[in-house]
Amino acid sequence: GAVVSQHPSRVICKSGTSVKIECRSLDFQATTMFWYRQFPKKSLMLMATSNEGSKATYEQGVEKDKFLINHASLTLSTLTVTSAHPEDSSFYICSARDEVRIGLSNYGYTFGSGTRLTVV
Amino acid sequence: GENVEQHPSTLSVQEGDSAVIKCTYSDSASNYFPWYKQELGKRPQLIIDIRSNVGEKKDQRIAVTLNKTAKHFSLHITETQPEDSAVYFCAASIGQAGTALIFGKGTTLSVSS
Repeated sequence: GAVVSQHPSRVICKSGTSVKIECRSLDFQATTMFWYRQFPKKSLMLMATSNEGSKATYEQGVEKDKFLINHASLTLSTLTVTSAHPEDSSFYICSARDEVRIGLSNYGYTFGSGTRLTVV
Repeated sequence: GENVEQHPSTLSVQEGDSAVIKCTYSDSASNYFPWYKQELGKRPQLIIDIRSNVGEKKDQRIAVTLNKTAKHFSLHITETQPEDSAVYFCAASIGQAGTALIFGKGTTLSVSS
């Protein structure tokens, strides 16, 4: 089945530094990848939709310059949290969609394992 | 855009009882409605889903019903067990290429033995 690999699983960084999170589709090509943010005991909030070869589409209220998304290939999307602050601490999770599998179970949506970011 | 409301936020049942979680969605174009179970710090795990061309789907102790007219769908868990305790999320998607899943706020289910 479709597999999405997300790294790192945990990262601790100092305030003011930047952190890059990678999301890779291992056995399929993902034209589109999605980035979510989840606070403790809260829902998954869509941050942006990442499109291969073009600019990401950000949801309202998400700072584009703060959360840089790059989707350079059909198998890799990255989220960079720039100038991180403690309030950026959260669980970030990516999702990729195998458009070929839309007709199959799960409608093609596959999730990465998530990244726990802690900014100190 | 799509908005998904989920109720209740917490649900406590005794082992063996049934549990029902309800969601409503706003976009009539939505046609895919999955339910996920999430353990703390883990990725969501798909437990069941339904598409808009059917009204009900069942998989052993889990069932999902969909009312397109009213724009709501529900998760039914029968004969609950302690291992069913987790956070459950509903989601909706219009299904077109490039469209994301929009999640409800989640329900924390606690099954006591």
